[in-house]
Amino acid sequence: EDQVTQSPEALRLQEGESSSLNCSYTVSGLRGLFWYRQDPGKGPEFLFTLYSAGEEKEKERLKATLTKKESFLHITAPKPEDSATYLCAVQTGNNFGNEKLTFGTGTRLTIIP
Amino acid sequence: DGGITQSPKYLFRKEGQNVTLSCEQNLNHDAMYWYRQDPGQGLRLIYYSQIVNDFQKGDIAEGYSVSREKKESFPLTVTSAQKNPTAFYLCASSIWTASPELFFGEGSRLTVL
Repeated sequence: EDQVTQSPEALRLQEGESSSLNCSYTVSGLRGLFWYRQDPGKGPEFLFTLYSAGEEKEKERLKATLTKKESFLHITAPKPEDSATYLCAVQTGNNFGNEKLTFGTGTRLTIIP
Repeated sequence: DGGITQSPKYLFRKEGQNVTLSCEQNLNHDAMYWYRQDPGQGLRLIYYSQIVNDFQKGDIAEGYSVSREKKESFPLTVTSAQKNPTAFYLCASSIWTASPELFFGEGSRLTVL
């Protein structure tokens, strides 16, 4: 069974304090790994897709990286508006379909001014 | 602006009543999905549709039903057979099922009293 584990469950940082969120996975045949941001009471918002080990993607203060076993979402000099829950999802299987997506439980990030 | 509209945002129902959650998109996407989100759990797929008049069960379809009569619309009915219906329901769409980017609505929170 495909498993996706995110850590930590919650993280509180001071504004400007850089850190990383982890997404480790145990799957058969990774097709892609995705990061989403979710604000309270809202739907997730797509951030990044990573397909192969060594790949990196950046967007503003966020950088996502991928290895064969895990992905990291690095946040550099965060601001209060970066506070959200960050979800990781993996796509597996023989079909390139989103029906094979497995989501992690998320990391709730709080940036304190 | 293009996007996904879910309604209602909040819904209260008594046990034994069927309820229908609306999902409309104006993104011209072929694929649409329904997910359920519970505290401490990752998003779980209920149903998905790749094309009009066609849909498939996801991981937790029991007690739910859907229809896809129009490309823009994918309503979800939570039936009385669903044993634990209280949850946050998210509708999503993508260009096609191979597309890695899901666009989510703002969600519907159903509480069964």
